[in-house]
Formats: sequence, structure tokens, C-alpha cells
Amino acid sequence: AQSVTQPDIHITVSEGASLELRCNYSYGATPYLFWYVQSPGQGLQLLLKYFSGDTLVQGIKGFEAEFKRSQSSFNLRKPSVHWSDAAEYFCAVGESSGGGADGLTFGKGTHLIIQP
Amino acid sequence: GAVVSQHPSRVICKSGTSVKIECRSLDFQATTMFWYRQFPKQSLMLMATSNEGSKATYEQGVEKDKFLINHASLTLSTLTVTSAHPEDSSFYICSASRTGGYEQYFGPGTRLTVT
Repeated sequence: AQSVTQPDIHITVSEGASLELRCNYSYGATPYLFWYVQSPGQGLQLLLKYFSGDTLVQGIKGFEAEFKRSQSSFNLRKPSVHWSDAAEYFCAVGESSGGGADGLTFGKGTHLIIQP
Repeated sequence: GAVVSQHPSRVICKSGTSVKIECRSLDFQATTMFWYRQFPKQSLMLMATSNEGSKATYEQGVEKDKFLINHASLTLSTLTVTSAHPEDSSFYICSASRTGGYEQYFGPGTRLTVT
């Protein structure tokens, strides 16, 4: 069964500093990988996704992520965080059964706190 | 494009009653819709997958008689929580994918509180 590990439950970063959120997955085949952000009481917003091709993926709000097959990782990065980036971040993995999307497996999330 | 709505956004119901949550794809046809559940400060857990015109597939441990899912059209799926109990209080989020597509588009969620 697939699994997603986000080893950091909380991360505190100073505003303007760089950020890296870790995500490791366990999957039998090449997965489809996603990063979502969720503000309190809100739904999910897609930051970026990886299906195939270039392993460095650019997303919205200045985020990027790199798929490393050898490490089964898909870490999220941002060179300079803003106070508005404070939120819950979820890494998710999915696959296709051949006819379209299957349900996603989510990591437990990383709560990002921004210090002024 | 690819907007998914949910209704209601919040609902409070009494223990023992049933409540229906709607998930609509507003600008695309969704062959497949998914229902997730999120407890406070926890991750999302897939409850079931629904395909238009067929029975939903439930994840292990999810009671299909308690969480009734209907996907009667390419733009609407409903989740009915039957005989709700306080432990069913949660944030329910749906998502939808286009025919043959791999990306899921998420709704804004429905906060269910059972008193």
C-alpha cells in the first residue's frame, strides 16, 4: 500500500528566509505527486504537481519541488517566505489505474509558522 | 476553469438525523468524484470513490450504509451521512477529476457538526 511521510509536523521559519518541506513516499510504480496548501477552515489549494518529465516543478506563489526517484522524495522549496505563507502544507500521492485518477494518499501535513 | 463547489459549507444537525452534502463540478464534466474526511488538525483520508452511474467504492473501514454516495450525473455527487452521531463531526471535502484525467480539483469543504 502506498504511504506518504512528512517528517516535520511543525516548522518555524523567519520571514524572508528559505524554506524546504520534506515529503517521502512509498509506492510501487511512478506516482503522481502533489503539494497542497490549506489555510485554517479552508479547502485545499494546489501548489504544484508532478506527473512526468522535468523533475523540477514550478508552482504558484514562488514554490518549487523536485522529484527524486532514487530517494523517493518530493520536497517543496521556496527561496524567501512571506508571512502569508503560514498555513498547513500537504504532500499527496496518487496513481492512475489506467482510466483516470485514483484517490490520493495524503501525508499528515506540516504546519508552517512564519516568524517576523 | 475546473471549479468544484460544495453545499452546504457548514451544517449542524442533531444526533440520529441524516444530512446530505452536495459536490458539484461547475465548469467541467467529472466522471470520477472522491470524498475525503479530515478530522481537526489531521490529514485527509479518502473515504470513497464514485463513478458516474455506478456504485461507489469505499475504502476499508468506511461504512457504506452510513455514508451513502450517489453520483447520478457528470456534475453532481452527494454524500449522505445517515443516523449521524457526534463522532461523525468532521470536515468533508470532495474532489472531482475529468474523464481520463489524473488531477483532482477540490471543493471548499463542508464542516459537519453533530450535536
